[in-house]
Amino acid sequence: DADVTQTPRNRITKTGKRIMLECSQTKGHDRMYWYRQDPGLGLQLIYYSFDVKDINKGEISDGYSVSRQAQAKFSLSLESAIPNQTALYFCATSESGTPPHNEQFFGPGTRLTVL
Amino acid sequence: AQSVSQHNHHVILSEAASLELGCNYSYGGTVNLFWYVQYPGQHLQLLLKYFSGDPLVKGIKGFEAEFIKSKFSFNLRKPSVQWSDTAEYFCAVKARTGNQFYFGTGTSLTVIP
Repeated sequence: DADVTQTPRNRITKTGKRIMLECSQTKGHDRMYWYRQDPGLGLQLIYYSFDVKDINKGEISDGYSVSRQAQAKFSLSLESAIPNQTALYFCATSESGTPPHNEQFFGPGTRLTVL
Repeated sequence: AQSVSQHNHHVILSEAASLELGCNYSYGGTVNLFWYVQYPGQHLQLLLKYFSGDPLVKGIKGFEAEFIKSKFSFNLRKPSVQWSDTAEYFCAVKARTGNQFYFGTGTSLTVIP
């Protein structure tokens, strides 16, 4: 389904360029997350946000920044892209509150290549 | 911090074979447990989840998983796999009182027709 969308879906850029990845959701969830996926490493959390203006670092936040200026939108920026940031990036959302509402819903992913 | 281990990195099975994928986690408190599937070129989708109650959880497409608290395990099973089950499978854990989800490194399953 298209409840969580990501733009662009694919991007090739050069070292040193600034890149922004966008995530939008129509699920009405308050929690949003950015992950990167590398072969053999699974998903690693970059940043997460539990509300507008709430920003929290994940496991691998260095070299990244995020912005949550609306409940439905969560953007990820690479201020100066480097080749080891080449990866598949996923946005996810979840509801707050008690289970069973805590599962995450993922977007289709953005494949980023930094040359 | 919590960690999640998936010991099988790549599994190859013939159609109709039985499947069991291992998942172990390190956290002593109450957890929520998840298995996600990622079909080639697609995003992650939830297969099943455990929050409380019956430790044997049934999910979509004939998958099930058993939570064994004493072993900190949440293994995924399917009695008879199909070619369409070819995908990458991720185990994830979230502490009941925590904010973050922790994912395993994934298991790539290839089913040969």
